[in-house]
Amino acid sequence: AQSVTQLGSHVSVSEGALVLLRCNYSSSVPPYLFWYVQYPNQGLQLLLKYTSAATLVKGINGFEAEFKKSETSFHLTKPSAHMSDAAEYFCAVSPEGYSSASKIIFGSGTRLSIRP
Amino acid sequence: DTEVTQTPKHLVMGMTNKKSLKCEQHMGHRAMYWYKQKAKKPPELMFVYSYEKLSINESVPSRFSPECPNSSLLNLHLHALQPEDSALYLCASSQGTGGRVDTQYFGPGTRLTVL
Repeated sequence: AQSVTQLGSHVSVSEGALVLLRCNYSSSVPPYLFWYVQYPNQGLQLLLKYTSAATLVKGINGFEAEFKKSETSFHLTKPSAHMSDAAEYFCAVSPEGYSSASKIIFGSGTRLSIRP
Repeated sequence: DTEVTQTPKHLVMGMTNKKSLKCEQHMGHRAMYWYKQKAKKPPELMFVYSYEKLSINESVPSRFSPECPNSSLLNLHLHALQPEDSALYLCASSQGTGGRVDTQYFGPGTRLTVL
């Protein structure tokens, strides 16, 4: 069964610094992977998704993620953090064998804090 | 327009009350979802509707009753809830054409408190 593991429940970086949020997946078939962001008191917003077309995926707000099969990883990065990036970030995977509607399994989440 | 709306934004109810949460989308999506999210946890899938038919019930207690009156609306009827049901309830929708890459769009959620 597919699953994702997010390393680090809380990450703190300085404004302008590199953001790196880690996600490792477990899957017996090619995975479809997602990163969602949740700002305080809001719903989830899709940042980007990997569907096997290209290993480097660019998303909104300057974020990107690279799919590395050899490392079973899909880490999220942003070159320069902004105060507005402070939020909860969820990595997610779409399990195989699902056809009537999509289903996604979320990781435990990583809270990103930005220091001035 | 990729907006999913949810009402009310906040709801406080007693354990004997009956209330409903509402969700609406006008993107022509044919799949709609209810999630429950506890503080500092990821969302947990509760129900999935596909073409107005319930396709997944993730073993949710019967005190939660979903309803999909039409392709744009999704309700969650609540009755005899417990304090541990207090959470953020999120609605989402997707095109529903099937497959694993169907992007889900989330509403802002209803913050439910059960006293």
